[in-house]
Amino acid sequence: IAGITQAPTSQILAAGRRMTLRCTQDMRHNAMYWYRQDLGLGLRLIHYSNTAGTTGKGEVPDGYSVSRANTDDFPLTLASAVPSQTSVYFCASSDGGENTGELFFGEGSRLTVL
Amino acid sequence: GQNIDQPTEMTATEGAIVQINCTYQTSGFNGLFWYQQHAGEAPTFLSYNVLDGLEEKGRFSSFLSRSKGYSYLLLKELQMKDSASYLCAGMDSNYQLIWGAGTKLIIKP
Repeated sequence: IAGITQAPTSQILAAGRRMTLRCTQDMRHNAMYWYRQDLGLGLRLIHYSNTAGTTGKGEVPDGYSVSRANTDDFPLTLASAVPSQTSVYFCASSDGGENTGELFFGEGSRLTVL
Repeated sequence: GQNIDQPTEMTATEGAIVQINCTYQTSGFNGLFWYQQHAGEAPTFLSYNVLDGLEEKGRFSSFLSRSKGYSYLLLKELQMKDSASYLCAGMDSNYQLIWGAGTKLIIKP
């Protein structure tokens, strides 16, 4: 059982480059989320999707975009990376309803922007 | 504003009991969640409280007081593998999770 798979697990890229973090889940969960985690701060929601075909902005959406073409995939794109986007990125999913807060997380993607 | 407060770090001894506190302020309330995160790994769900009182799940228990905006996670019979960060999160009226910065728990032999 894979659960949620993120790729790449780690990446270093130059400022100004475009980068897409991939996220795939095999649990048929309706809701998916992208968070960033920085030292000393709580998880911060970047974007979310309650169901395929819909997306919404979270707490820190600027500089990021997402798409949800189907149930399984929820890629996160940085159009032009900046050093402040250096972080660990977690993709998560939930089956919604009463279990909306029980999230299943991917292993994370550690991104360094130089 | 919305806010979750929890201690940055705690130290406890193997075999002992530790209580990790969390206070929350959210716009509306749809539950309080605790997650465990080992260093370098993903968070994993531990518990969910939406009504006042204590929820027990093996060595771990979680308590909620809605009137006080307060929760705690109680870990009994501590094991070395319990060394991790414990994340408190409140769910607001929009069903969005508001996360605390986490409490790093260090277990000493």
